[in-house]
Amino acid sequence: AQKVTQAQTEISVVEKEDVTLDCVYETRDTTYYLFWYKQPPSGELVFLIRRNSFDEQNEISGRYSWNFQKSTSSFNFTITASQVVDSAVYFCALSAHSGNTPLVFGKGTRLSVIA
Amino acid sequence: GAGVSQSPSNKVTEKGKDVELRCDPISGHTALYWYRQSLGQGLEFLIYFQGNSAPDKSGLPSDRFSAERTGGSVSTLTIQRTQQEDSAVYLCASSLQRNGNQPQHFGDGTRLSIL
Repeated sequence: AQKVTQAQTEISVVEKEDVTLDCVYETRDTTYYLFWYKQPPSGELVFLIRRNSFDEQNEISGRYSWNFQKSTSSFNFTITASQVVDSAVYFCALSAHSGNTPLVFGKGTRLSVIA
Repeated sequence: GAGVSQSPSNKVTEKGKDVELRCDPISGHTALYWYRQSLGQGLEFLIYFQGNSAPDKSGLPSDRFSAERTGGSVSTLTIQRTQQEDSAVYLCASSLQRNGNQPQHFGDGTRLSIL
């Protein structure tokens, strides 16, 4: 069975602080995909990143960076110099590698960035 | 617009009534998914359609839930004899059919409230 755990239910930071959102997953598959989605107060889920389990390189996109460690089954997400617009619920998700299959989501982490 | 379109945005109905929720995926996306987001349960997979294949209904919580996808495009999720526990936001997503699990793009959801 697949499972995603986001242990941090809510995080509150002051603007310009760095913040890391944790994601730990469980799967019996040897290959899989990991995803992060953002859900701002308006409600729509916005795709942020997809990571293939073959590729353990970290990725940086502007103020966002992702640290994938297969050895610890973790796929953590860091926001550098946080801004108020980063306030949202962030979901980590897992899926099978082949074909288009449903996502297994974590419970989400609510991030509040205070000005 | 070019995104996933869901209607209605909000639906309030009395317990025991049937409801239909509509999803219009992104043009050209052959995979279509329904998820449910409720407090305490996070995001749960309900059903998914991939091209002309039989849908994966493994996430449907009861036989009161059904979905169809006509012409490989628009999908309708039907809930019969609604119960209060059906109150949730119902999200639809679509994705391209390519090698590997392509990112799913979500609609704004339908907020269903059962009185």
